Amino acid sequence: RKEVEQDPGPFNVPEGATVAFNCTYSNSASQSFFWYRQDCRKEPKLLMSVYSSGNEDGRFTAQLNRASQYISLLIRDSKLSDSATYLCVVNIRRNYQLIWGAGTKLIIKP
Amino acid sequence: NAGVMQNPRHLVRRRGQEARLRCSPMKGHSHVYWYRQLPEEGLKFMVYLQKENIIDESGMPKERFSAEFPKEGPSILRIQQVVRGDSAAYFCASSGEGQGRTEAFFGQGTRLTVV
Repeated sequence: RKEVEQDPGPFNVPEGATVAFNCTYSNSASQSFFWYRQDCRKEPKLLMSVYSSGNEDGRFTAQLNRASQYISLLIRDSKLSDSATYLCVVNIRRNYQLIWGAGTKLIIKP
Repeated sequence: NAGVMQNPRHLVRRRGQEARLRCSPMKGHSHVYWYRQLPEEGLKFMVYLQKENIIDESGMPKERFSAEFPKEGPSILRIQQVVRGDSAAYFCASSGEGQGRTEAFFGQGTRLTVV
């Protein structure tokens, strides 16, 4: 089993819809969690950190479920510009190593 | 405070030559990750290094590829005797330690073309 797993997609979603995807992790010693976004042929960029209490940034909401060992990303009122690959990242407490998911591809259609 | 710097941005090599890709992490970061991305595919983990040590090289081909992160200077990803299939974008990321400093930042990548 991979340490961090994501549904590769693609998720094809109409503009304006709400979309959510999860990322599961296997190491209970995971300490920090992040969502990154990668646009075509560019470097990934940090979208948001995921806190225990959950956090929201505009149309984006990230949640952490430690009991079930997954994090989620919810995008409301999706825009065409949200089309990208979303990467889940988990930080291992033991040595600060970052473990990366393979990414979920999101396509927003007009 | 410069971000992660990768150079060169573009590199063209003939088959059989060596390619050397450099990555200077953000100031204060001691963790470096290298990734390869083939056209139309996702990021593929190659190797994770901390200063002077390779921690995880499970994603790196056993032959022709090597990586280092010396005490002084940038991290280097070296590809010997390049083949056409090595053509890809190679991204480097760095991260730090301690509360609030563990997120990674990426360089803009080196696009290797083997002709």
